[in-house]
Amino acid sequence: AQKVTQAQTEISVVEKEDVTLDCVYETRDTTYYLFWYKQPPSGELVFLIRRNSFDEQNEISGRYSWNFQKSTSSFNFTITASQVVDSAVYFCALSDYSSASKIIFGSGTRLSIRP
Amino acid sequence: ETGVTQTPRHLVMGMTNKKSLKCEQHLGHNAMYWYKQSAKKPLELMFVYSLEERVENNSVPSRFSPECPNSSHLFLHLHTLQPEDSALYLCASSQDDRGGLISYNEQFFGPGTRLTVL
Repeated sequence: AQKVTQAQTEISVVEKEDVTLDCVYETRDTTYYLFWYKQPPSGELVFLIRRNSFDEQNEISGRYSWNFQKSTSSFNFTITASQVVDSAVYFCALSDYSSASKIIFGSGTRLSIRP
Repeated sequence: ETGVTQTPRHLVMGMTNKKSLKCEQHLGHNAMYWYKQSAKKPLELMFVYSLEERVENNSVPSRFSPECPNSSHLFLHLHTLQPEDSALYLCASSQDDRGGLISYNEQFFGPGTRLTVL
């Protein structure tokens, strides 16, 4: 069965610290996609990244970076030099052939950045 | 115009009321979704429409009734709800390029409707 686990329920760091949000997934399919979404207090989920299972290259976008490791079924998200505006709930998600029309979301990690 | 809009943003209703939530997407997508987000629970997929056909009904009670009149609009009709239905209802859209099987493309979300059932 497909599953996404975000073990960190809440994280609080001081501004400018680096922070890593963990995501572990389960799937039996060889073809799948992983996503990260950000949900700020306004409520709208904002798409951050999509990564397919055949591309294990790490990706960097500004202060954001993602580490995809199939060997450990993990897709971790790091924010470098965190800012108060990064405060939000972050969701990791999985879509595979078996889930067809679904994106399976993790339970989310609430990130608070203190000034 | 933002990509996905939802109205109303907040709704308070009694258990005997009938109301509707509206979602509109301006992204030219052909698939739309309803999700329920309750406090301290994962996002729950409720309904999926692809090419205006319902392709997923995730065991949702009949007091929730979706309607997709065209690829840009999605409604969720509510009647005789329960207090436990209070939640944030999110609409999303994506481009389905797998001919009826929803693709792996990212979904774009609206701001949600905060529903309170008294």
